[in-house]
Amino acid sequence: GQNIDQPTEMTATEGAIVQINCTYQTSGFNGLFWYQQHAGEAPTFLSYNVLDGLEEKGRFSSFLSRSKGYSYLLLKELQMKDSASYLCAVSDSNYQLIWGAGTKLIIKP
Amino acid sequence: ETGVTQTPRHLVMGMTNKKSLKCEQHLGHNAMYWYKQSAKKPLELMFVYSLEERVENNSVPSRFSPECPNSSHLFLHLHTLQPEDSALYLCASSQGQGGYNEQFFGPGTRLTVL
Repeated sequence: GQNIDQPTEMTATEGAIVQINCTYQTSGFNGLFWYQQHAGEAPTFLSYNVLDGLEEKGRFSSFLSRSKGYSYLLLKELQMKDSASYLCAVSDSNYQLIWGAGTKLIIKP
Repeated sequence: ETGVTQTPRHLVMGMTNKKSLKCEQHLGHNAMYWYKQSAKKPLELMFVYSLEERVENNSVPSRFSPECPNSSHLFLHLHTLQPEDSALYLCASSQGQGGYNEQFFGPGTRLTVL
């Protein structure tokens, strides 16, 4: 079957760095997405990786290793507003998105 | 209005009621989606419409009935729901159907079935 695994919850301190991991097993691979979802709000797009390596976008970076079925989202200089759920999703061979259950990130002062 | 809008934002209904959820996108996209989001579970794709034709129906019970009258509007008609259908229902749109385009989500309808 197809499966996306990510930690249920993580806690980090304001100003620090946090890495949220995502491992996947899917039938085919056509890219991996990260979305951010604040409580009670819509998910919003953060990044898309289809090739191996690191993509940097301001304080956020996303890494992909296709051979390992692994990705991570790196958040630097954490701010209180980064408290949210982070959703990992993989596009399979049929270009269907398979979603993880999300990682709830709690930022403490 | 900009982006993707959904109405109502909250809905409480009995198991014998009939109601409809509405989604509208103002982005000029040609694909629209309905998702179900339950606590601590992955997003479940329910329906996909591309160019107003349904291209995906992931074994969703017939008590959920989608309608896409044009590329900007999407409805989810609800009938004889069960308490386990209580969840957040999210609408999304994208330019081009398929899992390689960014999807834009609406704020969702929080549905409670009594």
